[in-house]
Amino acid sequence: QKEVEQDPGPLSVPEGAIVSLNCTYSNSAFQYFMWYRQYSRKGPELLMYTYSSGNKEDGRFTAQVDKSSKYISLFIRDSQPSDSATYLCAMAVGGSQGNLIFGKGTKLSVKP
Amino acid sequence: SAVISQKPSRDICQRGTSLTIQCQVDSQVTMMFWYRQQPGQSLTLIATANQGSEATYESGFVIDKFPISRPNLTFSTLTVSNMSPEDSSIYLCSVPGPGTSGKETQYFGPGTRLLVL
Repeated sequence: QKEVEQDPGPLSVPEGAIVSLNCTYSNSAFQYFMWYRQYSRKGPELLMYTYSSGNKEDGRFTAQVDKSSKYISLFIRDSQPSDSATYLCAMAVGGSQGNLIFGKGTKLSVKP
Repeated sequence: SAVISQKPSRDICQRGTSLTIQCQVDSQVTMMFWYRQQPGQSLTLIATANQGSEATYESGFVIDKFPISRPNLTFSTLTVSNMSPEDSSIYLCSVPGPGTSGKETQYFGPGTRLLVL
């Protein structure tokens, strides 16, 4: 079992839809949870960063962490064509052992 | 967030040759990280480069294949040595983002796309 599992998609939605992206993980020691957005031929861009459980909202984006279920989500409201990208989840234990462990990424396409 | 640049942005190389990738950051950072992103695979950490000390390599990566230099707090290089087609990948450098130890979150450069023929 891989440490972080992420459905690669592709996921195609119409403009304005609510998008739900998810990752599951196996290492209960993970405490830091991130979502990155990667446009084609670009480096990953840090979107959201959460420590431990709970929700975090930033504009149209909401990140949720459920440590009891080892499950994290990213919700995108009112999706736009400019949201079309690959979304990567990443996690870390923290401290000096805090190397990031990534999912493979979900490719999202928002159709106008 | 830090502004990170990489050179070259892409390259096509012959097997058996070596390529050195440069990473420049607009601020001083203690730690810099080098990743590989193979097609259809997760980003994988190659090594952590601290200024003034030897790089720390992850399991499966060795210094002879991926020598790293860290001459100052804003610059690092990664060399991919004796390349084979299996080294075709995107290579990314990153620096610490929000967090306490500097490793929990990271900002990434644009990447170097390498194709080995």
